[in-house]
Amino acid sequence: GAVVSQHPSRVICKSGTSVKIECRSLDFQATTMFWYRQFPKKSLMLMATSNEGSKATYEQGVEKDKFLINHASLTLSTLTVTSAHPEDSSFYICSARDSRPSSSYEQYFGPGTRLTVT
Amino acid sequence: AQSVTQLDSQVPVFEEAPVELRCNYSSSVSVYLFWYVQYPNQGLQLLLKYLSGSTLVKGINGFEAEFNKSQTSFHLRKPSVHISDTAEYFCAVSERGGGNKLTFGTGTQLKVEL
Repeated sequence: GAVVSQHPSRVICKSGTSVKIECRSLDFQATTMFWYRQFPKKSLMLMATSNEGSKATYEQGVEKDKFLINHASLTLSTLTVTSAHPEDSSFYICSARDSRPSSSYEQYFGPGTRLTVT
Repeated sequence: AQSVTQLDSQVPVFEEAPVELRCNYSSSVSVYLFWYVQYPNQGLQLLLKYLSGSTLVKGINGFEAEFNKSQTSFHLRKPSVHISDTAEYFCAVSERGGGNKLTFGTGTQLKVEL
């Protein structure tokens, strides 16, 4: 149990286009999901906290108009990189927090999405 | 705000040797502590976590960690490593009551050699 999927696993897009990344909790409900960005040989940087049915909370320095987050259901959050540029190329990882108190609200991570903007 | 320091960016070790990966944290409030492992081009897998209780925590794959409040440390140890343990290891902290937001260290690359 406690599986989180991401789609696509790898995407290449042209500069100026938008790309959507999906994060799904497959066997549990997640009122809260997190989106991280990981640069090569660097740590994970929290971009935003996605809350089901409400607006996402963005970390300082993250452009909310560029990185659109939608958490429309208890099992799905999407991150859309709008007007992508080469500097947006990165590894994007989501995590989902199990809503059940019995889980101690543990976070489960997706396998990541490698975005390359040409 | 909290921070996590992993001083060792790379740790080479021979197979079957013991290993310790260091992690120190800073926080003005009580925290939960985690160790995650990441294999190339994959997401993170939880190795172990400290929430409360016994300061010695045992995790998967034979790893363990000890919470030391006075030294604000949470070092990860394994008595005998295997080639398959080669991966990136991240220490993370979240504040109690902080909504599970994780702050990660910069990671330690463990390279197990024959």
